[in-house]
Amino acid sequence: QKEVEQNSGPLSVPEGAIASLNCTYSDRGSQSFFWYRQYSGKSPELIMFIYSNGDKEDGRFTAQLNKASQYVSLLIRDSQPSDSATYLCAATSGYSTLTFGKGTMLLVSP
Amino acid sequence: DGGITQSPKYLFRKEGQNVTLSCEQNLNHDAMYWYRQDPGQGLRLIYYSQIVNDFQKGDIAEGYSVSREKKESFPLTVTSAQKNPTAFYLCASSPTGTGPANYGYTFGSGTRLTVV
Repeated sequence: QKEVEQNSGPLSVPEGAIASLNCTYSDRGSQSFFWYRQYSGKSPELIMFIYSNGDKEDGRFTAQLNKASQYVSLLIRDSQPSDSATYLCAATSGYSTLTFGKGTMLLVSP
Repeated sequence: DGGITQSPKYLFRKEGQNVTLSCEQNLNHDAMYWYRQDPGQGLRLIYYSQIVNDFQKGDIAEGYSVSREKKESFPLTVTSAQKNPTAFYLCASSPTGTGPANYGYTFGSGTRLTVV
């Protein structure tokens, strides 16, 4: 069964620090990878996606992909208390759907 | 203002009752999806549809049914056969073709279903 694994956390970082969130996936056929942020009681919102090996930067966020290791990460620089949420990693499953990890809870303390 | 509308936001179901969750999108997306989220379980795929009048079962389709009579609408019925329906239900959509690979999903705001 295709799986996406994440550490459930919580990951606690002080304000201004770099938060590093990690994800591994089992399906070598997965082509694209997504990071969603989900606040408590709300629906997920897309932060970034990546499909090429290496780094992709967007503002304070950097997604990293290593297909050989089947590993995806999300770095959040200058973390803010408003970044406190659950971060979901997702991978394409075939051509039609996404498989989600269980999410990592991030807590940023002032 | 394009998006996905789910209703109701909260829904209470009695034992043995069927209930229907609404999902409407005006994004002109061909593909639509239903996921269920339980605490600590992440999102699990119930059903998805890539085109009108066609849909496929996901990983946990038992006890659920869907229809796709219009491109904009993808309602989910939770039947009495679903023994543990209490969960947060999320509807999503994506463009056609390699849509999910290139764009991911756009999610609705969700429906929280509780069995009473």
